[in-house]
Amino acid sequence: SQELEQSPQSLIVQEGKNLTINCTSSKTLYGLYWYKQKYGEGLIFLMMLQKGGEEKSHEKITAKLDEKKQQSSLHITASQPSHAGIYLCGADISGAGSYQLTFGKGTKLSVIP
Amino acid sequence: DSGVTQTPKHLITATGQRVTLRCSPRSGDLSVYWYQQSLDQGLQFLIQYYNGEERAKGNILERFSAQQFPDLHSELNLSSLELGDSALYFCASSLGTGGVPQYFGPGTRLLVL
Repeated sequence: SQELEQSPQSLIVQEGKNLTINCTSSKTLYGLYWYKQKYGEGLIFLMMLQKGGEEKSHEKITAKLDEKKQQSSLHITASQPSHAGIYLCGADISGAGSYQLTFGKGTKLSVIP
Repeated sequence: DSGVTQTPKHLITATGQRVTLRCSPRSGDLSVYWYQQSLDQGLQFLIQYYNGEERAKGNILERFSAQQFPDLHSELNLSSLELGDSALYFCASSLGTGGVPQYFGPGTRLLVL
C-alpha cells in the first residue's frame, strides 16, 4: 500500500469556494512538505511543516500538521483559477535527518471560473 | 523559477541506448536529488548527492548512475534504456541534508521508443 495517501485524488470546485486536501502517512512523519505542480512541469515548493500542531499560511493557502494522527491538511480559502494544478505532499518518513522524500500520488485541483 | 536548471528539456531515444541528464543546483545549495515521475509509480526518489558524495539511495536501477562534480552540478546517466524508463526526471537541490526544503527543476521528459 501507499506510504503517503492523499485524498481526494481529484477535486473540482467553483471559484471562490474553500477546499481541503489531506495527506495521511502510514509511518511517523519527521517533516512534511507541500508542493504544487502544473501538468508536466516542475514542482513549486509551498510549505514545510516539522512540528506537531504546526500551522503555516501563505496567501490563501494554510497547511497544518497533526503529528499524532500522522496527517497533514492543506486548506485553500476562496479558491481562484490560479490555484488549479496538482498538489503533492512529500514527507521524510525514513527517520529523523534522512534525506529522501516519499511523495503521495497527488490531488488534481480544477477551479471553474 | 526555482533556480534549479535541467537540460535537456525533452529527450527522445531508442531502447538500448544511453543518455545523460544534467542538473545545475541553486546557487549555494550543496545537495542534489534525482527523482523519477511516472504515471503508475508517481514521484520516486532515486539518489542524493551532498557536496560531491553519495548520501542516500532510493529505488534506483543498476542501469542508472549519477555523480556530482566539484562545481556541484550533477549528471544522471541512464543506460540500456527500456520502454518503461520513459518518464519525467526531476532534479532538486537544497542547502543541506534533511529538514530543509528541496527546490525542484523543470524536469527532463524522456521518451524511449
